[in-house]
Amino acid sequence: GDSVTQMEGPVTLSEEAFLTINCTYTATGYPSLFWYVQYPGEGLQLLLKATKADDKGSNKGFEATYRKETTSFHLEKGSVQVSDSAVYFCALSDSGTYKYIFGTGTRLKVLA
Amino acid sequence: EPEVTQTPSHQVTQMGQEVILRCVPISNHLYFYWYRQILGQKVEFLVSFYNNEISEKSEIFDDQFSVERPDGSNFTLKIRSTKLEDSAMYFCASSVWGRDNQPQHFGDGTRLSIL
Repeated sequence: GDSVTQMEGPVTLSEEAFLTINCTYTATGYPSLFWYVQYPGEGLQLLLKATKADDKGSNKGFEATYRKETTSFHLEKGSVQVSDSAVYFCALSDSGTYKYIFGTGTRLKVLA
Repeated sequence: EPEVTQTPSHQVTQMGQEVILRCVPISNHLYFYWYRQILGQKVEFLVSFYNNEISEKSEIFDDQFSVERPDGSNFTLKIRSTKLEDSAMYFCASSVWGRDNQPQHFGDGTRLSIL
């Protein structure tokens, strides 16, 4: 079945460091891909999405490119801030289904 | 910005009791969902709902679970006879349409603790 694999956390970075959180997927159809962020005590917020191969989603300095050849959707940010500390979830929604399939989440901690 | 709201934020219930979790989806959304996250595990899909019917459900969503839209605004998840393993964070979500490229908007969750 469909699945999402994320890199294990926690990831600890200094402020202004470069961030990469890896995400790979398996899907039977043509999925849409998403990154969600969960700040402490809050729900899941959509960060960005991409709906077809080679699409790049971007928001708040974060970006991710839908790579069909490597079945990946890695999240990147050039310069992280303390306020980016949160848990990041990669998710997919395959064609013909309503459900999202989530990765395990990666906790990011940014130190001042 | 419109939000999905969930109540209560934390529910403590004795094993074997019934519990109802409540959600108010975004007003112009037509598709509604429940997910759960057991502590330390993945967020898992439970059920999707459209036009007063279940449109898809997972193997987790067995006979002890039910969903309902009792009025024009609320969307509820009922667990009939709770078990210890039902302890989890339950997230409600909604989307404009159910197409795979439509983002789902999530509430802050209800933490359910079964004693």
